Amino acid sequence: DQQVKQNSPSLSVQEGRISILNCDYTNSMFDYFLWYKKYPAEGPTFLISISSIKDKNEDGRFTVFLNKSAKHLSLHIVPSQPGDSAVYFCAASERGGGADGLTFGKGTHLIIQP
Amino acid sequence: DAGITQSPRHKVTETGTPVTLRCHQTENHRYMYWYRQDPGHGLRLIHYSYGVKDTDKGEVSDGYSVSRSKTEDFLLTLESATSSQTSVYFCAIRTTDRAGSPLHFGNGTRLTVT
Repeated sequence: DQQVKQNSPSLSVQEGRISILNCDYTNSMFDYFLWYKKYPAEGPTFLISISSIKDKNEDGRFTVFLNKSAKHLSLHIVPSQPGDSAVYFCAASERGGGADGLTFGKGTHLIIQP
Repeated sequence: DAGITQSPRHKVTETGTPVTLRCHQTENHRYMYWYRQDPGHGLRLIHYSYGVKDTDKGEVSDGYSVSRSKTEDFLLTLESATSSQTSVYFCAIRTTDRAGSPLHFGNGTRLTVT
């Protein structure tokens, strides 16, 4: 059973507008949530994270919101730029450190239209 | 740049042959991971290591073995490759023990089993 779900395989947004990528999870033990960005033929790169004790974390154009009661998080990108076109993965972990691996969603392909 | 090198970058092999993928890190980080990425599945954890000779299984470990005889190298072996193991394989490291710390990924090995 998939513990981290990204239900939108793709999303198209106009340049300059807001991109909102969504992620749901089922495991109540998850305490840390991360977003990764992936370009073709490259490895995923870390974007931003949030712990379960917070409901918002911001880094430049990227903001992650966490609604723990709904087991839902979202990544907002404002304003969207052409270089943001990539696959975005939501990931989660229980302890978030040491040997703890990450559980990933299937990814959302974000396409920024000029 | 997390200093991760994966080799080879591309490999084509026949069903039933053994294959070894190498992950090399330039720093002496303790935790290393192998993931596979497949369409419709996101990234899934195969095996991970928490020190020299210390390894454990991930979500999709069947058909794979790993070895870590030196801190800087983490090897993934397919003893007898099958077509279902055609995938892109990513190595990752964790650079701190801090809770919520991200994994940093290499650029992947694209493996095709014919």
